[in-house]
Amino acid sequence: EVQLLESGGGLVQPGGSLRLSCVVSGFNFSNYAMTWVRQAPGKGLQWVSGISGRGDTTYYADSMKGRFIISRDNSKNTLFLQMNSLRVEDTATYYCAKVDVLRYFDWFMENWGQGTRVTVSS
Amino acid sequence: QSVLTQSPSVSGAPGQRVTISCGGSSSNIGAGYDVHWYQQLPGTAPKLLIYGYYNRPSGVPDRFSGSKSGTSASLAITGLQTEDEADYYCQSYDSGLSGWVFGGGTKVTVL
Repeated sequence: EVQLLESGGGLVQPGGSLRLSCVVSGFNFSNYAMTWVRQAPGKGLQWVSGISGRGDTTYYADSMKGRFIISRDNSKNTLFLQMNSLRVEDTATYYCAKVDVLRYFDWFMENWGQGTRVTVSS
Repeated sequence: QSVLTQSPSVSGAPGQRVTISCGGSSSNIGAGYDVHWYQQLPGTAPKLLIYGYYNRPSGVPDRFSGSKSGTSASLAITGLQTEDEADYYCQSYDSGLSGWVFGGGTKVTVL
């Protein structure tokens, strides 16, 4: 059974940093791209960042570029999201998701974690 | 403002058929990128419902079906049930943004 478990969320002040983790099990982690998706309170889903299975290619939504860093440790079946220079508008539940690929950029989020809540507030 | 356009809400009585549309453009659906659909029940994480326009993961009832027309995609729910009350999101890739995008979501209410 595929399982994804996020952690690391919490309350942080504007301008602060937070590191999210997502520990996975039930599949060969290094064979799959992974992604982070967030959802602000009462709002829709927003793609945040993605990473290839080997970790050598990363992708970011424009508003996260230069502030967020996605990485992975395939030896520990763990995905990370380092979030710096946090803003009030980054307040959201952050989900990690296992990606399956139909064609080169045709990614879809096959399995999702339960999410971890990040609140940016003074 | 979402790149993929969804109507905010649809409703139907139990047993009826409802459709949810997802409007795109030449940089996403029109460029040949597939559309995928997710269901988010209240208070839970999203769940994959349809991938590649038409395909259902195992365990998803065949009451859910997807289709494509030009630069749009649709999700149909036939034989609507109370447990289908949820938010539904479409998702694709946008070459202009060089990233993956979601629709704004459609809330399905069972009357």
